[in-house]
Amino acid sequence: KAGVTQTPRYLIKTRGQQVTLSCSPISGHRSVSWYQQTPGQGLQFLFEYFSETQRNKGNFPGRFSGRQFSNSRSEMNVSTLELGDSALYLCASSLPTDRGSYEQYFGPGTRLTVT
Amino acid sequence: QKEVEQDPGPLSVPEGAIVSLNCTYSNSAFQYFMWYRQYSRKGPELLMYTYSSGNKEDGRFTAQVDKSSKYISLFIRDSQPSDSATYLCAMSAIRGGADGLTFGKGTHLIIQP
Repeated sequence: KAGVTQTPRYLIKTRGQQVTLSCSPISGHRSVSWYQQTPGQGLQFLFEYFSETQRNKGNFPGRFSGRQFSNSRSEMNVSTLELGDSALYLCASSLPTDRGSYEQYFGPGTRLTVT
Repeated sequence: QKEVEQDPGPLSVPEGAIVSLNCTYSNSAFQYFMWYRQYSRKGPELLMYTYSSGNKEDGRFTAQVDKSSKYISLFIRDSQPSDSATYLCAMSAIRGGADGLTFGKGTHLIIQP
């Protein structure tokens, strides 16, 4: 079974630009979560989607947004990029249950560099 | 005080040794506990997933959770050079972390051949 895939793998953007990252979950997984990983803050939760609805959101500014499509694929968008947004952005998928989800499996990440 | 504390290391041990990795946490609502392994420039790989207190064993890996002390551990037996990686503990209040997993900063482990 194919794992979580993320595109692109590497990205370089300039301050003030916007960026869209894509995530395809494991086949059959309908819950998708996004995380930001930096050396200083570690892994931090951005948001989680299930059935095209954002169920939970971390403590990030409104410049960070996401969406999920009917096929469970997800995108996240960062507008008005800042230097501090340089990070590895990780997507994780899981099978949802009526009381949460099963364990999360991560993709390889998209490394974003803002110059 | 951070919600999850984890010694960043590096922790260097000889091949074949038993490795002990630990995390402490402050949020008593956490019930689900995970250990992930992350190689350089890769995504985290799930190693162990446990619920509440107790032990769980899978091959060379044993996870322990002590909710009364808010302390979790991962033991690696017969460590191999291929185990060299960063080990991240993660936890959540809701099954599977739909509320967002809370991670430790990770411990960098080096297994010397």
